[in-house]
Amino acid sequence: EAAVTQSPRNKVTVTGGNVTLSCRQTNSHNYMYWYRQDTGHGLRLIHYSYGAGNLQIGDVPDGYKATRTTQEDFFLLLELASPSQTSLYFCASQFRDNHYEQYFGPGTRLTVL
Amino acid sequence: GDSVTQTEGLVTVTEGLPVKLNCTYQTTYLTIAFFWYVQYLNEAPQVLLKSSTDNKRTEHQGFHATLHKSSSSFHLQKSSAQLSDSALYYCALSLSNNRIFFGDGTQLVVKP
Repeated sequence: EAAVTQSPRNKVTVTGGNVTLSCRQTNSHNYMYWYRQDTGHGLRLIHYSYGAGNLQIGDVPDGYKATRTTQEDFFLLLELASPSQTSLYFCASQFRDNHYEQYFGPGTRLTVL
Repeated sequence: GDSVTQTEGLVTVTEGLPVKLNCTYQTTYLTIAFFWYVQYLNEAPQVLLKSSTDNKRTEHQGFHATLHKSSSSFHLQKSSAQLSDSALYYCALSLSNNRIFFGDGTQLVVKP
């Protein structure tokens, strides 16, 4: 079974702070995704990647950067965190084409004060 | 544009009765796949079932869904809801460019 881990699991920062969320998958999946989940909005795609060095823009990218350093690791960067970025963040991986399901990590709860 | 619509934000059903969660979509892509994901309280979403074949019923854990391209729908149904089915359900459209679109989710509450 696919294993996706995220760190940290909880993070509190202040407005203007610098935050990096980490995601690692250990099943050689090609695609990785970052989502935020907010009540009333469901899962919204921030950024995604086809492989190491590749980055694609999702639906709500403003205020976020991402980097895929290896096939296993995908990072989400908030360089000037704002209270509107307080949310639950999920990372997911997908094996190959669109007929394969996504496997989600346990989530990171971020609070920006 | 491409999108997924789940019309009900909350569905409440009595244990043992049938339940239906609605999902419709909009896309111009021909090669598509559909998923229902379930998210239990304080857990991550996980796939419940998937389909990419028109008019073919797919089943898992007592739930079933049929992709109907003619009506752009992929509704989720179960004949007898259980208390343990209470969760947040997402319908998702996956395109051949590997973009995935989630609906806003339907919270299912099963009451005794």
